[in-house]
Amino acid sequence: GAGVSQSPSNKVTEKGKDVELRCDPISGHTALYWYRQSLGQGLEFLIYFQGNSAPDKSGLPSDRFSAERTGGSVSTLTIQRTQQEDSAVYLCASSYPGQGGNEQYFGPGTRLTVT
Amino acid sequence: QKEVEQDPGPLSVPEGAIVSLNCTYSNSAFQYFMWYRQYSRKGPELLMYTYSSGNKEDGRFTAQVDKSSKYISLFIRDSQPSDSATYLCAMTPRLYGNKLVFGAGTILRVKS
Repeated sequence: GAGVSQSPSNKVTEKGKDVELRCDPISGHTALYWYRQSLGQGLEFLIYFQGNSAPDKSGLPSDRFSAERTGGSVSTLTIQRTQQEDSAVYLCASSYPGQGGNEQYFGPGTRLTVT
Repeated sequence: QKEVEQDPGPLSVPEGAIVSLNCTYSNSAFQYFMWYRQYSRKGPELLMYTYSSGNKEDGRFTAQVDKSSKYISLFIRDSQPSDSATYLCAMTPRLYGNKLVFGAGTILRVKS
């Protein structure tokens, strides 16, 4: 595909369950970002992957959140023991450093609802 | 206090109006400034980015940065109903290998 894809588009889960959100970046993009967008809030940085370097996890809000990126491509964001405050839209972006402006291309997001 | 402040609106204007969207920030390390547009249920898309202070124009859109005041603006001329969206400002100290810090977004409605 031409753009960043994310799945599922919507996820409803019960409090306490684990969820996995998937991001498929644009082919060839070496940088991958996860952000969270809560209602009425801007995007909040979660984690950043660049090539084979150690990820920047400084934005993860708690140890219930983790992410991995396999083979420098697909990434999975895992939230364990979900809480109601985890309800938000989770956005993934990818970029190719060196491209003019290092533009981050965003996927459509996964809308997570914790009941 | 948030690093980036943005009036959430909503801002409602008639078609053809000039729209001014603004953000203020507190971190003097920010050097790169972006404006993203986000339609409902979609991911943000980059409209413009500028480096340091100055103006940049692209069609009906003009971005201004005043680092001395820590204030950035996006102007939309001859606004169209298709411009109705949420506009997010974002900024970062370094262009590569760095997260973006976003404002909360301003909801814009252009009435036909």
